[in-house]
Amino acid sequence: DQQVKQNSPSLSVQEGRISILNCDYTNSMFDYFLWYKKYPAEGPTFLISISSIKDKNEDGRFTVFLNKSAKHLSLHIVPSQPGDSAVYFCAARVYNQGGKLIFGQGTELSVKP
Amino acid sequence: NAGVTQTPKFQVLKTGQSMTLQCAQDMNHEYMSWYRQDPGMGLRLIHYSVGAGITDQGEVPNGYNVSRSTTEDFPLRLLSAAPSQTSVYFCASTTSGRNEQFFGPGTRLTVL
Repeated sequence: DQQVKQNSPSLSVQEGRISILNCDYTNSMFDYFLWYKKYPAEGPTFLISISSIKDKNEDGRFTVFLNKSAKHLSLHIVPSQPGDSAVYFCAARVYNQGGKLIFGQGTELSVKP
Repeated sequence: NAGVTQTPKFQVLKTGQSMTLQCAQDMNHEYMSWYRQDPGMGLRLIHYSVGAGITDQGEVPNGYNVSRSTTEDFPLRLLSAAPSQTSVYFCASTTSGRNEQFFGPGTRLTVL
């Protein structure tokens, strides 16, 4: 049973526009939600996170929103750039267990010039 | 700091062979984890460790063994490789006070 789901395998956006990547979760025993970015043949790199007690966190062009009642989070990238083209993974950290991340399936973002 | 390092980068095995995927970190992180990435499945947790001498199972532990004798190293052992273990394997580490994990570059394993 997939506890963290990314239902869109791919997303295509024009350069300069907003990219919105979505993620749903089913388990309430997560204390942090994270977004990772992955290029081919490289390991995932951390992008941004949000505590389960917050509803928004912003870092430059990247903003993550958390809707606890809907068990939904989203990553907004504004403005999108061609270098943002990558696979984005949503992940949830099991409460107080630093070694346990549960990942979604990933969404491949393509930003076209 | 080299961060998280993994060896080898690529490996081809025959069914039934054994091998060890190496993972090391030089950040003195207490938490270390192994994940596998398969198409359409995201990354799935195989085993993790909260410190030297302490390991636990993740989502997909069958067919894999781990041990943690030092803080720096966390090897993943395949005792009898199967084609279903063809995947890309990532090692990660973190420390208390950080909510993100730091990933290595991965090992691409093919089992024929």
